[in-house]
Amino acid sequence: EAGVAQSPRYKIIEKRQSVAFWCNPISGHATLYWYQQILGQGPKLLIQFQNNGVVDDSQLPKDRFSAERLKGVDSTLKIQPAKLEDSAVYLCASSLGSMSTQHFGDGTRLSIL
Amino acid sequence: KNEVEQSPQNLTAQEGEFITINCSYSVGISALHWLQQHPGGGIVSLFMLSSGKKKHGRLIATINIQEKHSSLHITASHPRDSAVYICAVRKNTDKLIFGTGTRLQVFP
Repeated sequence: EAGVAQSPRYKIIEKRQSVAFWCNPISGHATLYWYQQILGQGPKLLIQFQNNGVVDDSQLPKDRFSAERLKGVDSTLKIQPAKLEDSAVYLCASSLGSMSTQHFGDGTRLSIL
Repeated sequence: KNEVEQSPQNLTAQEGEFITINCSYSVGISALHWLQQHPGGGIVSLFMLSSGKKKHGRLIATINIQEKHSSLHITASHPRDSAVYICAVRKNTDKLIFGTGTRLQVFP
């Protein structure tokens, strides 16, 4: 079974630029999560999708962050414009359902200069 | 105060030592997860517990629901066990609340 695929693995940008991350979940997984993990901290949920609908985006900074999962399969997370405090690893996870075990991708490490 | 607290934050051990990582939580939960994160960033789920004890190879996880406490034990530790171990709890919703992790280094 192929795992959760994320790209790119690393990204370096300057503040005020924009950036996008891509995630392809495990086939058949209805639930998709985006997490932000700042160095030394645990992951923080940014947004949760159930198929192509948003279940929870309460901790997504909506003035600069956006995410979509238009066809209920792969998803993109965008930051525009980036701030220094956005430097983190962005993790995507998927699960069969919202109460099932989450499977994580390798993450995208974002550095803001 | 975090809803999920782990201790210690950092742990070093010699190969072969028995290791214990602790997790305490302050909320009602339906399940507790132990996760392993290697330096590359990927996270692997080790255990999901709602009661008692689970064992997989050299790893043992226990949970005491009344005391709101869980432990992860590693027997006969090996340098390849070096990673960050994260405790996460599932509240009575589908959301996971993560601890800040315990960084383990096992030296040969």
